[in-house]
Order: sequence, then structure tokens, then C-alpha cells
Amino acid sequence: SQQGEEDPQALSIQEGENATMNCSYKTSINNLQWYRQNSGRGLVHLILIRSNEREKHSGRLRVTLDTSKKSSSLLITASRAADTASYFCATDRTGTASKLTFGTGTRLQVTL
Amino acid sequence: KAGVTQTPRYLIKTRGQQVTLSCSPISGHRSVSWYQQTPGQGLQFLFEYFSETQRNKGNFPGRFSGRQFSNSRSEMNVSTLELGDSALYLCASSGLLAGQSYEQYFGPGTRLTVT
Repeated sequence: SQQGEEDPQALSIQEGENATMNCSYKTSINNLQWYRQNSGRGLVHLILIRSNEREKHSGRLRVTLDTSKKSSSLLITASRAADTASYFCATDRTGTASKLTFGTGTRLQVTL
Repeated sequence: KAGVTQTPRYLIKTRGQQVTLSCSPISGHRSVSWYQQTPGQGLQFLFEYFSETQRNKGNFPGRFSGRQFSNSRSEMNVSTLELGDSALYLCASSGLLAGQSYEQYFGPGTRLTVT
């Protein structure tokens, strides 16, 4: 079963706008990662944030982690049509770093 | 560096048959994990192999099995296929060392359809 839920399930924005996706999880974690998937293809790793970190940036991506609320958010700034994809958060627990538990995903549509 | 490759990309099988999927990890990566993705259950972890040993296992029936070879290439096998096994099967490799966490690099997946 999936540990996390993502909110919203779907998001439609215009190019240039910011997109924010949220992820909640149930148990304590070691790390949280975000992945992107285009149309049923393989997943692409975006960013990893460790449980002792609160915020991380990578290019147009900003990830926050609140372990007290068991939640994370992914912000994509100045979105582009090429950002259209599904976004998943994935967590791992201490001792089982390779066993990722994925959220339900957010489907992002960026229109011109 | 070449990415993770999976073969075949598409497969159609009949209920009751068995199937073997193959995954070649990124050169130098010793950890290979398998995931099943379906519209209903989402992405679910099947198992992980490291240095030819199964290190982690998900909650799947014994019909799902795997192995890893000395060159880190991995195969997964599903026996007695059921309609519900229709899914995208994703393989991921990482340069994961014991106790550490690194990003996983996913292959394009094998789309299995069971009729």
C-alpha cells in the first residue's frame, strides 16, 4: 500500500505560473525524494531532502519538509509546458533506504 | 554513462503463462530495485537486489521472483500470470551503499498486458 498521499491529484496552470504540490506520509522517514514521470514512462529523480533538512533548492525547484506534520511540498517556479508530467513523492525509512514508498502522485498540466 | 535499460519494452501474455523481464543497471551500480505501477495501486515496491542477494522485499505473492547476476543485471519473473498483473514494471538502479540513501535511476519500464 502507498504511504503517502499527494494533493492536489491534478493541477492545471498556465506557463509562467508557479505550481505547488503537497505530499503527506504516515510513518517516520529517513529521506524524502521527488520524482517526475512523463506519460507512463520511467521516473526521473528531481530532488532528495533528508529528514534533518527543512528546505532544499535545485534550479526552479524548491522542496520543504516538515517532519512534525509528516508533510512535504514541491514548488516549481516559472513553469514551462515541458513541466507537464506526474510528480511523485517517495519516502524511505532507516535501514531500508532502497525500498521507496511512493505517494499517489499529482498530475500537472502546464498550458501555453 | 548509459542509463538503465529494460527489455522487452512491451509484452502481451495470456493468463497462466509466465514471463521474465530483464534490467541492466547503470554501470557501477550494484543495487537494482523493481516496482510495479498500476492505475489502481500506484507504484509499489517489489524487491531489491544488491550484490546478487535479495536485500528487501515488498508485499507481493511468491509468484513474483527475481534474481541478480554477477554483472548486476537483474531479472524478474512472474509465474502463473493473472489479469491483475497487467502493469508497467519499472526497474531502478542506484549506487546505494548499505545504510545510505541515494537517488534511484529508473529505466523506461516494461509494459506487460495479460489477456
